[in-house]
Amino acid sequence: AQTVTQSQPEMSVQEAETVTLSCTYDTSESDYYLFWYKQPPSRQMILVIRQEAYKQQNATENRFSVNFQKAAKSFSLKISDSQLGDAAMYFCAYREIGANSKLTFGKGITLSVRP
Amino acid sequence: DSGVTQTPKHLITATGQRVTLRCSPRSGDLSVYWYQQSLDQGLQFLIQYYNGEERAKGNILERFSAQQFPDLHSELNLSSLELGDSALYFCASKGRTTAGELFFGEGSRLTVL
Repeated sequence: AQTVTQSQPEMSVQEAETVTLSCTYDTSESDYYLFWYKQPPSRQMILVIRQEAYKQQNATENRFSVNFQKAAKSFSLKISDSQLGDAAMYFCAYREIGANSKLTFGKGITLSVRP
Repeated sequence: DSGVTQTPKHLITATGQRVTLRCSPRSGDLSVYWYQQSLDQGLQFLIQYYNGEERAKGNILERFSAQQFPDLHSELNLSSLELGDSALYFCASKGRTTAGELFFGEGSRLTVL
């Protein structure tokens, strides 16, 4: 079964600085999708960024970018110019190819932003 | 706003009772997923429906059941409730991009006393 591991339960970053959140996953598949979701105190799950495993180029969405290392099964999220609104829980998630495949989530990491 | 609507937002009930959580997916989305988020178990997949048919089952208890109706809304029924069923229940619908990301509702917070 696929597993997603987020080994750091908490991280803290100074406002305007850069922080990297780590994620590793285990799969025997060669093609799949990876996601980062943000859960602020409102509890809403918000998609931050997605990466298709067949694409070598790392995905970028404004201040958010990923470092996708397929051979190492690593998928880290970099947040640049951190803002107070970035404080939230962040979940890494994996999905197999297939219309009915589910998202498998890591345990999440709580990010705090210091003003 | 994800476009996924869940009701009720909060629910408090007693052990042994039964509740129904309702979800309307984004317009045009045919797939509905249910997830349970608790402090000790994280986000756990419960069940998935596609256009009215059950397509995948996860860690869903026998006391729980779900269905998707012809208008594509879905209901999750939780019965014989126990204290440990207290959690945030999310519904999500699957986007139509190749990656098929899930768009989540705001969740239903269930408290069992």
